[in-house]
Amino acid sequence: EVQLLESGGGLVQPGGSLRLSCAASGFTFSTYAMFWVRQAPEKGLEWVATIDNGSGAKTLYADSVKGRFTISRDNSRNTLYLQMSSLRAEDTAIYYCAKSIGGISSYYEYWGQGTLVPVSS
Amino acid sequence: DIVMTQSPESLAVSQGERATFNCKSSQTVLNSANNKNYLAWYQQKPGQPPKLLIYWASTRESGVPDRFSGSGSGTDFTLTISSLQAEDVAVYYCHQHYITPHTFGQGTKLEIK
Repeated sequence: EVQLLESGGGLVQPGGSLRLSCAASGFTFSTYAMFWVRQAPEKGLEWVATIDNGSGAKTLYADSVKGRFTISRDNSRNTLYLQMSSLRAEDTAIYYCAKSIGGISSYYEYWGQGTLVPVSS
Repeated sequence: DIVMTQSPESLAVSQGERATFNCKSSQTVLNSANNKNYLAWYQQKPGQPPKLLIYWASTRESGVPDRFSGSGSGTDFTLTISSLQAEDVAVYYCHQHYITPHTFGQGTKLEIK
């Protein structure tokens, strides 16, 4: 059974940093591209970042987070990360990790339960 | 960026009746190399993550009831629930994964009339 479990969320001040983790199980993690998607309170879904399969050499970012967020993966730990810095109030959201069906041009087959990141002083 | 526009914003349908959701993309999401539409539909119930319903515009995900169906190609797509059940109350999102940035529609909220 595929499972994705996000962690690392919590209250952070504007300008602060946070690292989110997504522990994956039930599939061969290294062979799948992975995604981060966020959802601001009472709002819709926003793609945040993509990392390709294998070594994760290819990464893509939404303009709204480019230069501030970094997606990475540790295939030995079956874990996806999102390093977030210079956080702003508008980054407040539930952050979901999602699994592809293989490559980066994929629909999002499975989603984690999400982790909440409130950015506030 | 490809803009995904869903209509209506909200929908109230009686149990047992048909519900129809529309999604229009600002550019084609049809890949002519493999003849696949890079369009998916998700269902999100309150307090839950999105759940995949339909992929490649018309393929039902395993385990999804057959009252859910998807259609369309190119830039115009439809999700249909043939006979609404109470547990179908949710927000429904379309999603293009053809071109980065991947983009979602704003969602259609479905309620029981």
